[in-house]
Amino acid sequence: DTEVTQTPKHLVMGMTNKKSLKCEQHMGHRAMYWYKQKAKKPPELMFVYSYEKLSINESVPSRFSPECPNSSLLNLHLHALQPEDSALYLCASSQGGTGGNGYTFGSGTRLTVV
Amino acid sequence: AQSVSQHNHHVILSEAASLELGCNYSYGGTVNLFWYVQYPGQHLQLLLKYFSGDPLVKGIKGFEAEFIKSKFSFNLRKPSVQWSDTAEYFCAIHQAGTALIFGKGTTLSVSS
Repeated sequence: DTEVTQTPKHLVMGMTNKKSLKCEQHMGHRAMYWYKQKAKKPPELMFVYSYEKLSINESVPSRFSPECPNSSLLNLHLHALQPEDSALYLCASSQGGTGGNGYTFGSGTRLTVV
Repeated sequence: AQSVSQHNHHVILSEAASLELGCNYSYGGTVNLFWYVQYPGQHLQLLLKYFSGDPLVKGIKGFEAEFIKSKFSFNLRKPSVQWSDTAEYFCAIHQAGTALIFGKGTTLSVSS
């Protein structure tokens, strides 16, 4: 298995909702990442988990809460989002530390906040 | 702090034309360099990467890139583009202890 699987593919949520994005990989990678990508823009790093510990938080608002239950799973819990949070949320994984060998990206969850 | 610059925002080519996309980075230490491609509606795919050794690296789909340390550059090339190469191209760098940082991207449009 050489994929990163993200669910759901599409999500529409209201500003008072609570939802979660899920990411799964079975490549034995020990680093996992959340990126946010707006249309025609590069991915922006949000969080990095290395060996199941949060190692980088790029000053992301607390309405985004990451969780790494085990080495294969990464969640992003969403609460009280704003319309400007609408974007493509990408999960990635890499071997070892923070991934000098390159990342494998999932296909993303397209989030719309209404 | 490290940064990545992609000079070409939008490149328009006809099929069979040659392609070169520029990428420069600011960090002067050891970095790993990557080019990713994102086809319309699809996820990011790794085209090629450079860690060390031969500065000319070959990737998938006929792409290659040349690392020129003195110019802090890692330009992407393809001798003859196809309509199917229409996509967004991102240069990225990785420095030890940090995560992958992307350039702003270049949109390539190839007309048949």
